[in-house]
Amino acid sequence: QKEVEQDPGPLSVPEGAIVSLNCTYSNSAFQYFMWYRQYSRKGPELLMYTYSSGNKEDGRFTAQVDKSSKYISLFIRDSQPSDSATYLCAMSASGGSYIPTFGRGTSLIVHP
Amino acid sequence: DGGITQSPKYLFRKEGQNVTLSCEQNLNHDAMYWYRQDPGQGLRLIYYSQIVNDFQKGDIAEGYSVSREKKESFPLTVTSAQKNPTAFYLCASSIRTGSGKNIQYFGAGTRLSVL
Repeated sequence: QKEVEQDPGPLSVPEGAIVSLNCTYSNSAFQYFMWYRQYSRKGPELLMYTYSSGNKEDGRFTAQVDKSSKYISLFIRDSQPSDSATYLCAMSASGGSYIPTFGRGTSLIVHP
Repeated sequence: DGGITQSPKYLFRKEGQNVTLSCEQNLNHDAMYWYRQDPGQGLRLIYYSQIVNDFQKGDIAEGYSVSREKKESFPLTVTSAQKNPTAFYLCASSIRTGSGKNIQYFGAGTRLSVL
């Protein structure tokens, strides 16, 4: 079992839909949780990060962490064609080298 | 503008040739990283450096080498020993904290192909 699991998709939705992207993980030491957006042939761009459990909102994006279930989510409201990209989750623990573990990414397609 | 600059954007390697990918950051970050990204495989860590003049192997270091002579710079050399170098290479940097917070910021990437 991989430390971080993420469905590669593609996830195809109509414009305006609410999108839910998810990752599960097995390492209970993970404390920091990040979401990156990566457009084709570009570097990942940090969207949001959260610490421990709870929700964090930034515009149309909401990140949610449920440590009891080892499950994190990224919600995108009123999705736009410009949101079409690959979304990577990443998480890091408070000990060791602190290097984040990345999911493989979910490809999202928002069609007009 | 602060950020991470990778160059070149595209690079071609001939058989038996070593090539070097450049990564420069002006974010004053302590740590720097190199990842390789292949379709469907996510990010795989090649090397990382937490301070100047020190670096550690990642998960797939064979066939690669790095140096960290300056805080701002972390070049990656893809040697002729790397038999399958075609991939998208990403450089990242981060500020280390004592709490485990390690938010990485990425460059735009270098796409390496074999001629």
